[in-house]
Amino acid sequence: EAGVTQFPSHSVIEKGQTVTLRCDPISGHDNLYWYRRVMGKEIKFLLHFVKESKQDESGMPNNRFLAERTGGTYSTLKVQPAELEDSGVYFCASSLRTEGSQYFGAGTRLSVL
Amino acid sequence: RKEVEQDPGPFNVPEGATVAFNCTYSNSASQSFFWYRQDCRKEPKLLMSVYSSGNEDGRFTAQLNRASQYISLLIRDSKLSDSATYLCVVNGAGGFKTIFGAGTRLFVKA
Repeated sequence: EAGVTQFPSHSVIEKGQTVTLRCDPISGHDNLYWYRRVMGKEIKFLLHFVKESKQDESGMPNNRFLAERTGGTYSTLKVQPAELEDSGVYFCASSLRTEGSQYFGAGTRLSVL
Repeated sequence: RKEVEQDPGPFNVPEGATVAFNCTYSNSASQSFFWYRQDCRKEPKLLMSVYSSGNEDGRFTAQLNRASQYISLLIRDSKLSDSATYLCVVNGAGGFKTIFGAGTRLFVKA
């Protein structure tokens, strides 16, 4: 069975540009999470989907970040316009149950220059 | 105070040693608890869930003390391959907003 997959694995963009990250959860997992790790800091929660609904988006940094999960399958996280402080590794995870074990994708390493 | 706090690292131990990691959490309504391991520049991988009754998986034992809001991980007979960062993870009330500790780095030496 395929695990959580994320695309792209790396992205290098200039300040002011737009980037869209994609996450495909494990098939059948209704719960999908986005996280971010900036250099030297702990992994921080961004938001949580249950199917196509945003259950908790309290971790989203600001309105330059937009997450969607149309149809309750894969999810995208768009950053527009990107700023230097958005650089980091963006992880996606999925779980079968809301309080269950989460399985992580390999992450997207975003560098904003 | 951080919502999830872990022992500061790094821990440097010889092969075969027993090592224990501690973690405390601030939200008494937290529902579920986990230990993950993360290798350098890799994603976190689930090591084990943590239950009040305690659970064991081979050389790894995890324990939860809800009264003290404390989680532990014990690794027996350490192997070189155990070298990694160990992350304490807590799901907030109602399962929302998963919180990660900063991680404890373990180095196991031959």
